[in-house]
Amino acid sequence: AQSVTQLGSHVSVSEGALVLLRCNYSSSVPPYLFWYVQYPNQGLQLLLKYTSAATLVKGINGFEAEFKKSETSFHLTKPSAHMSDAAEYFCAALNTGFQKLVFGTGTRLLVSP
Amino acid sequence: ETGVTQSPTHLIKTRGQQVTLRCSSQSGHNTVSWYQQALGQGPQFIFQYYREEENGRGNFPPRFSGLQFPNYSSELNVNALELDDSALYLCASSSTSGASYNEQFFGPGTRLTVL
Repeated sequence: AQSVTQLGSHVSVSEGALVLLRCNYSSSVPPYLFWYVQYPNQGLQLLLKYTSAATLVKGINGFEAEFKKSETSFHLTKPSAHMSDAAEYFCAALNTGFQKLVFGTGTRLLVSP
Repeated sequence: ETGVTQSPTHLIKTRGQQVTLRCSSQSGHNTVSWYQQALGQGPQFIFQYYREEENGRGNFPPRFSGLQFPNYSSELNVNALELDDSALYLCASSSTSGASYNEQFFGPGTRLTVL
């Protein structure tokens, strides 16, 4: 069965520092992959998605992610953190067959001044 | 373009009661999926509806049931509520065609508390 692993339940960075949130998937066939952000008491907002068109995917708010098949990874990065980036981030994979998203456990990003 | 809406935003029920949560899908979307997000966890897939039929189900008991209507809106019903059903319930709509195929758009969720 498809699974997604996010390393690190919490990541702390200073404002202006590099953001790196890790995600690994388990699948013999690379799935579609997504990163979502969730602000407190809100739903999920799509940051970016990988659908096999390009391995480096650019998303909203300056985020990007690189798909690496050899490492089964899809890590999320942002060159310079902003205070408004503080939120919960979820990596998810889409099962082929029907549109069921499988989520990781999430990483809370903390940004300090 | 109207996004995904859910009602109510918050709900408090007691154990054993029944609850109905509602979701209006985004314009042009024909598929609705429901997820349960317990505190501090990632969302878990409950089930999906396409053309008013259940199109896949996660590891949830039969007391979790749903409906999809001709206008593609949907309901999630939970019978015999248990304390562990306390969670944020998220609805997501998607389309089986077009540029945003395979992309799910989430509503703000309904926070259910079971006492």
